[in-house]
Amino acid sequence: DIQMTQSPSTLSASVGDRVTITCRASQSISSWLAWYQQKPGKAPKLLIYAASTLESGVPSRFSGSGSGTEFTLTISSLQPDDFATYYCQQYSSYSYTFGQGTKLEIK
Amino acid sequence: EVQLLESGGGLIQPGGSLRLSCAASGFTFSSYAMSWVRQAPGKGLEWVSAVKSSGGSTYYADSVKGRFTISRDNSKNTLYLQMNSLRAEDTAVYYCAKRGTTGTTKEVFDYWGQGTLVTVSS
Repeated sequence: DIQMTQSPSTLSASVGDRVTITCRASQSISSWLAWYQQKPGKAPKLLIYAASTLESGVPSRFSGSGSGTEFTLTISSLQPDDFATYYCQQYSSYSYTFGQGTKLEIK
Repeated sequence: EVQLLESGGGLIQPGGSLRLSCAASGFTFSSYAMSWVRQAPGKGLEWVSAVKSSGGSTYYADSVKGRFTISRDNSKNTLYLQMNSLRAEDTAVYYCAKRGTTGTTKEVFDYWGQGTLVTVSS
C-alpha cells in the first residue's frame, strides 16, 4: 500500500500568517492527491483535488502544488476559520490512503 | 443539495455484528462510486471500503477484509456496511462518502455524511 506522510503534525500560527503543510507519498502518485479540512465533530471537507485544483466554493487563499511524491498545501493569509486539522489523501489506487493529519493551532 | 445520512451505529460487544446504512439524496446515486471512511476517537482518517456505481466491484482495506461487506441498493439510494467479528479497534465514527465523477481527476470524496459512532466494547 502507498503510505502518506504529512509534516508537521502540529503547526502554530497567527491570523494573517502564510503557512505550508507538506505531504509525501511512498511512491509516485502522479497528481492523484487531495486535501481535506476537518473541524472537531464535523465531517472532512474537500479543499483541493488533482494536487492543485480548488474545489468550488473554497477560498482562493488555499492552494496546492506538487506531483509525483511531494505535495504542499499553502494558506496564503490565515483566517480565524482556518484553524482545523488538514489531511492529504492519495487516490491513485483503490486502497485510498490518508496522511496522519496536521493540526493547525492558533499561536 | 447532496445529503448523506448514516445510521445503525451503537454499542456492540466484541465478536458481534452491526449493519450501517447511508441514505443518499440530491444526486443520481446509481451513477457514483461510494465509500466508507472511519475515524477512531482522537485519530486520523482511515478508508475502509468502496463500491463502484453498479455494485459489481468492491474494495476493502486489509484491516477489515473478510469481516466487512459493502453493498448498495440503487433502487433505494442506500449504501450499506455489514460489519462482522467486530473488534475493539473497529471503534470509530464511520462516514459514508460520495466519490466524484469516474474517469475524471475528481475521483475523490466530494461529499461526506455526518458520521455514525460504532463502539465495540464489553
